[in-house]
Amino acid sequence: LAKTTQPISMDSYEGQEVNITCSHNNIATNDYITWYQQFPSQGPRFIIQGYKTKVTNEVASLFIPADRKSSTLSLPRVSLSDTAVYYCLVGGTWGDYKLSFGAGTTVTVRA
Amino acid sequence: ETGVTQTPRHLVMGMTNKKSLKCEQHLGHNAMYWYKQSAKKPLELMFVYSLEERVENNSVPSRFSPECPNSSHLFLHLHTLQPEDSALYLCASSPKTGQPTTDTQYFGPGTRLTVL
Repeated sequence: LAKTTQPISMDSYEGQEVNITCSHNNIATNDYITWYQQFPSQGPRFIIQGYKTKVTNEVASLFIPADRKSSTLSLPRVSLSDTAVYYCLVGGTWGDYKLSFGAGTTVTVRA
Repeated sequence: ETGVTQTPRHLVMGMTNKKSLKCEQHLGHNAMYWYKQSAKKPLELMFVYSLEERVENNSVPSRFSPECPNSSHLFLHLHTLQPEDSALYLCASSPKTGQPTTDTQYFGPGTRLTVL
């Protein structure tokens, strides 16, 4: 299973763009990259998933370079409500339910 | 609203009580999970069920007993818990498509458990 490394915390201000980079040097060919968001006292919520290049949805963008050894979650123009923990997971098959959510990145948005 | 519901949302119990947590998913998924999240700690995977068969038990104490009567329902039976078992208990489900994509999990809102 591919191990991921992401920063413990990041601070930002309202209206700014937040970029969180996740390293996954031993990503396998079939692995996808998935990001979850968790607010306090709630379950994690799927944000975005990608395999290569760039993926964009109404919430975020995911940038994946050609070597796929890292990925960057981009949150455009954050607001106070984007304060949460963000988790990066890498996996490709059913057996990857054993993936650890890890400590994630705590993003704090200030006014 | 993720399509996964959990009841109760809050539970306070004594160490000698027996209680059950309930999870229901309305997504047609084939796999269900129980996680524990203690304060300021990462999620800990407790149990995994695939098509009502338990496929993972991460060395969880026997005072936690899961039950999966069908693919839509999952229970966690609790008895003689300890104060350190106080935590947020999260249920999740996933489609288990068998396709080479990450099996995205959909989480419920959790049950906040306090053991006195």
